Amino acid sequence: GAGVSQSPSNKVTEKGKDVELRCDPISGHTALYWYRQSLGQGLEFLIYFQGNSAPDKSGLPSDRFSAERTGGSVSTLTIQRTQQEDSAVYLCASSLVTGFYSPLHFGNGTRLTVT
Amino acid sequence: GQQLNQSPQSMFIQEGEDVSMNCTSSSIFNTWLWYKQDPGEGPVLLIALYKAGELTSNGRLTAQFGITRKDSFLNISASIPSDVGIYFCAGEETSGSRLTFGEGTQLTVNP
Repeated sequence: GAGVSQSPSNKVTEKGKDVELRCDPISGHTALYWYRQSLGQGLEFLIYFQGNSAPDKSGLPSDRFSAERTGGSVSTLTIQRTQQEDSAVYLCASSLVTGFYSPLHFGNGTRLTVT
Repeated sequence: GQQLNQSPQSMFIQEGEDVSMNCTSSSIFNTWLWYKQDPGEGPVLLIALYKAGELTSNGRLTAQFGITRKDSFLNISASIPSDVGIYFCAGEETSGSRLTFGEGTQLTVNP
């Protein structure tokens, strides 16, 4: 079946512009995560959605970052007034949580470059 | 919050050699996972561990969930060039909580 789909795969934007990154999780997966990965670095947690619960936003680095998940499916990560330090690969992942851990399935990411 | 310390940060080995990497945490985890990331792709799950002391193999990969529940290791035997990539450990403190990832181990295999 289809995996996690992210779009665009690459995005180049000018400093100060807003960007929207999209994630289509695997159908039926109730949990959705956004991570950020700078070049050669580990995975930095940004935000976590689980079913109808309030999202865990504790990883968002500033108020320029926001995310929403509509209808428990597609998620959009928005970065306002982009800065050069926002340049990174943004990874989305989903899992089917059934009270027993279900592995994360990652998309291939959106590579964001802020010039 | 909880932190995972993963080591080594990078490894350069010859094809055919065995590899070992590990993760330690400051808190107890219920689940340990190992992922591999190829260039330009998202991480892919290699092995999942659910019980303290559990030793699990997947082909040339072997991973263990430490007895203290605060550590895990991953071994790769007889490495091949396609083993190149970044390996991440990840842990889950409680069922349904979000994963915490280690910083990754960059593996380079010289043919």
